[in-house]
Amino acid sequence: RKEVEQDPGPFNVPEGATVAFNCTYSNSASQSFFWYRQDCRKEPKLLMSVYSSGNEDGRFTAQLNRASQYISLLIRDSKLSDSATYLCVVPLDTGRRALTFGSGTRLQVQP
Amino acid sequence: ETGVTQSPTHLIKTRGQQVTLRCSSQSGHNTVSWYQQALGQGPQFIFQYYREEENGRGNFPPRFSGLQFPNYSSELNVNALELDDSALYLCASSLGRGPGEKLFFGSGTQLSVL
Repeated sequence: RKEVEQDPGPFNVPEGATVAFNCTYSNSASQSFFWYRQDCRKEPKLLMSVYSSGNEDGRFTAQLNRASQYISLLIRDSKLSDSATYLCVVPLDTGRRALTFGSGTRLQVQP
Repeated sequence: ETGVTQSPTHLIKTRGQQVTLRCSSQSGHNTVSWYQQALGQGPQFIFQYYREEENGRGNFPPRFSGLQFPNYSSELNVNALELDDSALYLCASSLGRGPGEKLFFGSGTQLSVL
């Protein structure tokens, strides 16, 4: 099993739609999780951190299910500017700030 | 702007050559991590430097090596380049070690090996 797995997509949704991505991870000891956003061939940028059961920031909600070892990202009222690749990220171990990235889920919001 | 700068932005090399990529971390950050991102994949951890010492390494061969300087800037060196080394190389700085805090990424160096 890969350390971090994501559905690559693409998810093609109309503006205003609600879309959700899931990510599964293998290390049950992981304590913190992140969603990064990456625009085409640019650097990843932190979107949200998830430390406990979940986190909400405006249209974005991240949830954590430790029992099933997955995290999800929900985007409400999708905008054209949300089109990007969303990377699920889990720390490699507690001693370093090195991260394991999933391969990403590509979102395309259409007018 | 993250305050992390990488140079060069693009580079073309031929197989067997050597390359050095550079990264200036954000002011006050003493930890630098390097990642390789192949097309269509997520970034893969190469190694991390904390206060000038290697603090962990991913699954990359020894021909990938690095340095961190007293001002916390860093270099990534790759010897004997192979075609599969073609990728976007990302540098990220952070304040100290340990998980749970934000990484600040540079905009990357796009390396093409012909």
